[in-house]
Amino acid sequence: GDSVTQMEGPVTLSEEAFLTINCTYTATGYPSLFWYVQYPGEGLQLLLKATKADDKGSNKGFEATYRKETTSFHLEKGSVQVSDSAVYFCALSDIGGSQGNLIFGKGTKLSVKP
Amino acid sequence: DAMVIQNPRYQVTQFGKPVTLSCSQTLNHNVMYWYQQKSSQAPKLLFHYYDKDFNNEADTPDNFQSRRPNTSFCFLDIRSPGLGDTAMYLCATSRERGRGTDTQYFGPGTRLTVL
Repeated sequence: GDSVTQMEGPVTLSEEAFLTINCTYTATGYPSLFWYVQYPGEGLQLLLKATKADDKGSNKGFEATYRKETTSFHLEKGSVQVSDSAVYFCALSDIGGSQGNLIFGKGTKLSVKP
Repeated sequence: DAMVIQNPRYQVTQFGKPVTLSCSQTLNHNVMYWYQQKSSQAPKLLFHYYDKDFNNEADTPDNFQSRRPNTSFCFLDIRSPGLGDTAMYLCATSRERGRGTDTQYFGPGTRLTVL
């Protein structure tokens, strides 16, 4: 079945460091790909998305490119801030398979120190 | 602002005492989802409604039920909560289930504690 694998955390960085969180997926169809962010005690917020190969999603300085050849959707940010500390979830939506249900990775906790 | 609203934000109930969680949306989306998220885990889909069509996940316990009386509201009923049902419950909506329309928008969640 479809699945998402993302790097395990926690990830601890200093402010202004470069961030990469790896995400790879397995899907029988052509899924939409998403990154969601969850701040402590809150629900999930959509960070960015891409719906087809080579699409780049971007928001708040974060970027991710849908790479069909490597089945990846890695999240990057050039300079992290303390306020970016949160749990980041990579997810796919397999339109053809599971009625568009989201399949999540296990989440990566990011801590940014001043 | 259009949004997904969940009430209450925090709920404490006793073992075996029925509880109902509420979700409403102003997005006029066709699809509404309920997820369970236990501590330090990814959200797990319980079920979803596509309009009035109820879709249960195969491994969702019978103890969990849902109602969608209209487009805007959806309820999660836990008939006899157990200690293992302590979790954050997330409601989400999407416009449709097709490509480009399947982005899910989440509410802030209800944190349920079963004592």
